[in-house]
Amino acid sequence: AQSVSQHNHHVILSEAASLELGCNYSYGGTVNLFWYVQYPGQHLQLLLKYFSGDPLVKGIKGFEAEFIKSKFSFNLRKPSVQWSDTAEYFCAVNAQTGANNLFFGTGTRLTVIP
Amino acid sequence: NAGVTQTPKFQVLKTGQSMTLQCAQDMNHEYMSWYRQDPGMGLRLIHYSVGAGITDQGEVPNGYNVSRSTTEDFPLRLLSAAPSQTSVYFCASSHLTSGRKNEQFFGPGTRLTVL
Repeated sequence: AQSVSQHNHHVILSEAASLELGCNYSYGGTVNLFWYVQYPGQHLQLLLKYFSGDPLVKGIKGFEAEFIKSKFSFNLRKPSVQWSDTAEYFCAVNAQTGANNLFFGTGTRLTVIP
Repeated sequence: NAGVTQTPKFQVLKTGQSMTLQCAQDMNHEYMSWYRQDPGMGLRLIHYSVGAGITDQGEVPNGYNVSRSTTEDFPLRLLSAAPSQTSVYFCASSHLTSGRKNEQFFGPGTRLTVL
């Protein structure tokens, strides 16, 4: 069965600090990887996705993530966070075959202090 | 394009009551799903559908029923509400293409409280 681990439950940063959120997954087959963001009171929005090819993917709002196959990891990064990045971040995976079911991590709440 | 819409936005039920959460999408997506979001547990899949007339169970299906009579609609029914079903419910949809390289689009959610 697929599983996704996000190690940081709550991260507090000052504006302009760098961000890295960890995500590890376990699955026996080939997966697609996603990071979703949920701003306070809003629904989930896609930040970025990895299907294949260049393991460094860039998303919206200056976010990027690196897929390291040997470590089963897909960490999210941003060089300089802003107050508006305050949100909850979810890592998710789905298998490249079968239904399009997403398996989510437990989420990381990011608070950016102005 | 309205995207994925959900009604109601908020609902309070008493234990034992039944209700239906509505979900609709106007993007002609084959795949639709229901997730519940609980603090510290992320989103967990309840039921999903890969097309009209086809539904299947996800991780946490107990206490919920679904049907998919049209491509657009995917209602979630709570048969006899329990306090453990207090949660935020999200509907999502996507196309189904080879390799499943599809972004899922999420609705705004329904916050359900069962007393």
